[in-house]
Amino acid sequence: AQTVTQSQPEMSVQEAETVTLSCTYDTSESDYYLFWYKQPPSRQMILVIRQEAYKQQNATENRFSVNFQKAAKSFSLKISDSQLGDAAMYFCAVYNFNKFYFGSGTKLNVKP
Amino acid sequence: NAGVTQTPKFRVLKTGQSMTLLCAQDMNHEYMYWYRQDPGMGLRLIHYSVGEGTTAKGEVPDGYNVSRLKKQNFLLGLESAAPSQTSVYFCASSFPGKKEQYFGPGTRLTVT
Repeated sequence: AQTVTQSQPEMSVQEAETVTLSCTYDTSESDYYLFWYKQPPSRQMILVIRQEAYKQQNATENRFSVNFQKAAKSFSLKISDSQLGDAAMYFCAVYNFNKFYFGSGTKLNVKP
Repeated sequence: NAGVTQTPKFRVLKTGQSMTLLCAQDMNHEYMYWYRQDPGMGLRLIHYSVGEGTTAKGEVPDGYNVSRLKKQNFLLGLESAAPSQTSVYFCASSFPGKKEQYFGPGTRLTVT
């Protein structure tokens, strides 16, 4: 079984500042995909960013970027210029063999 | 284009009752998934399907059954509900090559 660990249950950031959410995973496979999902209070799961494990270049989507360290099995999410709308639960996920494995989530608070 | 829809949105059951949750998608996705989300535990895979007429077990399948008679629908059944099945249930779908999942809005189920 594959495990995904998010060691920060809750974090806070000041509006316009930068915050990094951590994620580590355990897999014996070489071909897999990594995702960060956002879940606002509405409960809807929203894809933030994805990373293919075979790609060395870190993925970037506007204010969101990842730091993918394959050897360390680490996949952190950096949010730049934080906005009030970024407040949500964030889940890290690993995809392999048709299945997704999710971490327990990090609750991000954004202070005005 | 409704995406992924779930019926019902809320439900309260008594212990021992049965019910079926319906997931429907209009994106012609091959793969469909059922998850449960509990506080502090992220999303856990219950069952999934890689095509019409096929289903497979996920991490926590006990107490649940599923059926995929039509490509666009994926049903989750609880034959004899237990308080431990109180949770929020999410359905998701995807294309095999894309790896990205599209989620429904969730169903909050309470078993008393």
